[in-house]
Amino acid sequence: DQQVKQNSPSLSVQEGRISILNCDYTNSMFDYFLWYKKYPAEGPTFLISISSIKDKNEDGRFTVFLNKSAKHLSLHIVPSQPGDSAVYFCAASIQGGSEKLVFGKGTKLTVNP
Amino acid sequence: DTGVSQDPRHKITKRGQNVTFRCDPISEHNRLYWYRQTLGQGPEFLTYFQNEAQLEKSRLLSDRFSAERPKGSFSTLEIQRTEQGDSAMYLCASSLEVQAWGELFFGEGSRLTVL
Repeated sequence: DQQVKQNSPSLSVQEGRISILNCDYTNSMFDYFLWYKKYPAEGPTFLISISSIKDKNEDGRFTVFLNKSAKHLSLHIVPSQPGDSAVYFCAASIQGGSEKLVFGKGTKLTVNP
Repeated sequence: DTGVSQDPRHKITKRGQNVTFRCDPISEHNRLYWYRQTLGQGPEFLTYFQNEAQLEKSRLLSDRFSAERPKGSFSTLEIQRTEQGDSAMYLCASSLEVQAWGELFFGEGSRLTVL
């Protein structure tokens, strides 16, 4: 069963506009959430994270929102740039337990010039 | 370059052969992870070391798989009697215990193709 779900395999936006990537999770024990970005032929790289005690975390053009009651998080990229084109993975974990991350299947973002 | 390095980057083998992958983590990182990624899926956790101790293994890690980190530095992942279903990208990641939690540094991966 997929505990972390990214239901949109792909997303296409225009340069300068907002990109919104969504993620849902089913395990209520998850209390730490991360987004990773992956370019072709490279390993995933950490982008931004959020703890369940917060509902928003911002880092430059990237903001992650967490809605615990809906078990939903989203990544906003404003403004989107062509260099943001990549696959974005949502991941979740349980602090204080195993160190493993549970990843979604990813969303391929294409930012058109 | 002081990132996580993996070797080989690509491996093609015949079914039934044994293969071994090596991972060199970032030097000061005491935690090392192996993940597997198949086409269209996200990375799936396989196993995790803290220093030389293997602290957790996924049920995905059948008895044909073995991982070691003998001196708490580099790690090897061996797959015995490979099957076509083992074809995947094997990703290694490392982290430092005291850093922000969950932020793993991944290598570029070792792609395995079993014919």
